[in-house]
Amino acid sequence: QKEVEQDPGPLSVPEGAIVSLNCTYSNSAFQYFMWYRQYSRKGPELLMYTYSSGNKEDGRFTAQVDKSSKYISLFIRDSQPSDSATYLCAMSAHRGSTLGRLYFGRGTQLTVWP
Amino acid sequence: DTEVTQTPKHLVMGMTNKKSLKCEQHMGHRAMYWYKQKAKKPPELMFVYSYEKLSINESVPSRFSPECPNSSLLNLHLHALQPEDSALYLCASSPGLQETQYFGPGTRLLVL
Repeated sequence: QKEVEQDPGPLSVPEGAIVSLNCTYSNSAFQYFMWYRQYSRKGPELLMYTYSSGNKEDGRFTAQVDKSSKYISLFIRDSQPSDSATYLCAMSAHRGSTLGRLYFGRGTQLTVWP
Repeated sequence: DTEVTQTPKHLVMGMTNKKSLKCEQHMGHRAMYWYKQKAKKPPELMFVYSYEKLSINESVPSRFSPECPNSSLLNLHLHALQPEDSALYLCASSPGLQETQYFGPGTRLLVL
């Protein structure tokens, strides 16, 4: 079992839809959770960063972490064609031998059509 | 300045060539990273530098040689690469090893 599981999609939604992206993980030591957006042939861009459990909102984006279920989500409201990209979840434990390591999901490819 | 820059954007090299990839950040970050990313896969960690010292080497073949000349610069020297080394090479930086990583745009490498 991989440490971080993410459905690769593809996911295709109409403009204006609410998008839900999810990852599950197995390592209970993970405490830092990130979502990156990666456009085709570009580097990953940090979207959201959350420590431990809870919700965080930034504009149209909401990140949720449920440590008891080992489940994280990213919601995109009022999705736009410009949101079409691959979304990577990443997490880290920041202790011992894992210091400096990010554990990525496979990425979910999202297309928002006009 | 909240950017990580990488040069060149694209690189084509033969298997006998020697080339270098460069990465720069001016955010005062003390940790810098090299990743390799193949199509439709997440980035794979190659090397980590913390305070200009090599902290992690993920058993990368010796044909890849990292260098951190100062806290703002990170190089990746390439020699005798194989076609399977063709990929997007990403640099990232973070304030410290325990903090969020910010990625550069990458160098797309093609080995012929």
